[in-house]
Parts: sequence; C-alpha cells; structure tokens
Amino acid sequence: GESVGLHLPTLSVQEGDNSIINCAYSNSASDYFIWYKQESGKGPQFIIDIRSNMDKRQGQRVTVLLNKTVKHLSLQIAATQPGDSAVYFCAEAGGSQGNLIFGKGTKLSVKP
Amino acid sequence: GAGVSQSPSNKVTEKGKDVELRCDPISGHTALYWYRQSLGQGLEFLIYFQGNSAPDKSGLPSDRFSAERTGGSVSTLTIQRTQQEDSAVYLCASSPGLLYGYTFGSGTRLTVV
Repeated sequence: GESVGLHLPTLSVQEGDNSIINCAYSNSASDYFIWYKQESGKGPQFIIDIRSNMDKRQGQRVTVLLNKTVKHLSLQIAATQPGDSAVYFCAEAGGSQGNLIFGKGTKLSVKP
Repeated sequence: GAGVSQSPSNKVTEKGKDVELRCDPISGHTALYWYRQSLGQGLEFLIYFQGNSAPDKSGLPSDRFSAERTGGSVSTLTIQRTQQEDSAVYLCASSPGLLYGYTFGSGTRLTVV
C-alpha cells in the first residue's frame, strides 16, 4: 500500500554540525509534503512544508529538498543544536481521503 | 483557543470499558483529523472531518471505534469495549483545509489494563 519511509531510524550528530534526514515516499501523485518534529510527550510540531511544484524550500536553519524523479525528500538542519533532539517525521498528502501519511520517524540525537 | 486542545491528557481504563477522547480544534479550522501513535511508531490515520460533512470511517481499525464532530468544531473519539491493543497515544490535529499543515494537540495517552 501507500507508504512513506525513512532511510535511517536513528541519527547522532555533534552540536554545530549539519544534519540531514532522508525520506522516501511511494505515491507519485502526492503534491504536498511536510516535515514534523516531535519531542517526548508532545504532539508533532510543523517544521516546514513543500509543494510538488518546488524542489527546494528554506526556513530558519532548515531546508527541505524534494526530488520527484526518485520520490525522495530530505530535511537539512544547519548548525544542529541540543534543542533539535527529537523524532522527525516526513509526511505526504497521499492518503485516500487527502490525509497526510506519516513515516515511522527518525530519532535525532545531538551530542554536546 | 490558540492551539488544539485534547482531553484527558492521560487515561487508564480497564479492558472492556468504553472511553471518550475529546478534541477542541483551532477556531476557524474546518478540517479535523484523528491519528493513533503506538509506542515508538509513526502515526496511523484514523478519521478526517471536513466541516459538518459526514466522515469516511474506513480508516477506523474496528467497529468498536467511532467519532463525531458537533457543530463543525469539537470532536469526540469513542472506543467501546477497549482492548489492550488499543493502548496508544491518540492525536488530534486541525488545519484550515486540505494541503495545509496540521496543528496537532498534545494527545491523549490511553492505557488499557
């Protein structure tokens, strides 16, 4: 069935380094993608989104890249900080009801 | 309110009991979603409401699950005859419509003992 998956379940980086979290999606018809951050005990928090007519979008310290040819999405975090430690989910608007489909998540750990 | 509010934040119930989970979306958001998150897992879609329209219930895991949304605002997710496998965090989200980012509540952690 339709699914969104992540290449790496865990990622450990040094404070100050850049982080890259990758995601593969399967529904080529999906036209909207979002990255969420979830801290322990909290609901997912919106980070950045991108529509399929774009291949790159930048926010504050974050960049999302979309490669529709290979159905790949990535989240880049610049100068990673301890506060960035969380689980990151990619999601695509590819559900049968137009809902977001979420992957299992990547846990990012930032070492001081 | 300023965000999506869910209650209760934690619920422990005995197997076989019924539970009701409540979601109060952001004012003006027409779309409301329920997801379930099991420990260490991703988010499983349950049901979606758009305004006052009748929802598609095909994402609900069994007929013990039901949901309603009154007046296009507050939503209640009801689980009848709870089972241990129902233990999870139930997340509610709202958005201005399709193809917009969701704002999630903090969830209700349900434990069935």
